[in-house]
Amino acid sequence: NAGVTQTPKFQVLKTGQSMTLQCAQDMNHEYMSWYRQDPGMGLRLIHYSVGAGITDQGEVPNGYNVSRSTTEDFPLRLLSAAPSQTSVYFCASSRQGGTSGRSYNEQFFGPGTRLTVL
Amino acid sequence: AQSVTQLDSHVSVSEGTPVLLRCNYSSSYSPSLFWYVQHPNKGLQLLLKYTSAATLVKGINGFEAEFKKSETSFHLTKPSAHMSDAAEYFCVVSGENQGGKLIFGQGTELSVKP
Repeated sequence: NAGVTQTPKFQVLKTGQSMTLQCAQDMNHEYMSWYRQDPGMGLRLIHYSVGAGITDQGEVPNGYNVSRSTTEDFPLRLLSAAPSQTSVYFCASSRQGGTSGRSYNEQFFGPGTRLTVL
Repeated sequence: AQSVTQLDSHVSVSEGTPVLLRCNYSSSYSPSLFWYVQHPNKGLQLLLKYTSAATLVKGINGFEAEFKKSETSFHLTKPSAHMSDAAEYFCVVSGENQGGKLIFGQGTELSVKP
């Protein structure tokens, strides 16, 4: 198993450009999510999905779109890049499950995409 | 609302001495709690998790954590630090009715001196 893969590893954009960060997993996990990591702030949830065709917003969704057409893929789109979106982006997946909506499953993280917006 | 507070942004220990990384949580319901580790320029790896079974949880690489409901704490410990333990550590909570979402603490950077 490749686990969770992300492309590209590094990207530099100019303000106003758009792009898509790719994320794929081969573990047949229902739950997938995108986080951004900024110094001193831990990881913050951008968007997540509990299955194909179902997505929802996390803590910091503005400026990002997602879709989930297949179980395996969960791309993150930046609509019009801004310098405030300079960050490291992580995709993660896990089995769905828990009680009362509480997760007790390990999330598996990709290696990250380091994005710089000039 | 849930939250996680890691009480130290940076901890420095000598090799062979104990490690203590402190985490307090806030949750209206019984939470699931996790510790993840991130080595430089790498993704995150699960160290251990608490999901309402035993309150003392053992993880990988000799780490363990104890869930203390009365203190709302989930501190991470290791009896003897190794140079390879130098990394950033995140305490994470998942609460009820949250759709499986995780809330991350700000992280604690652990340095290990020879």
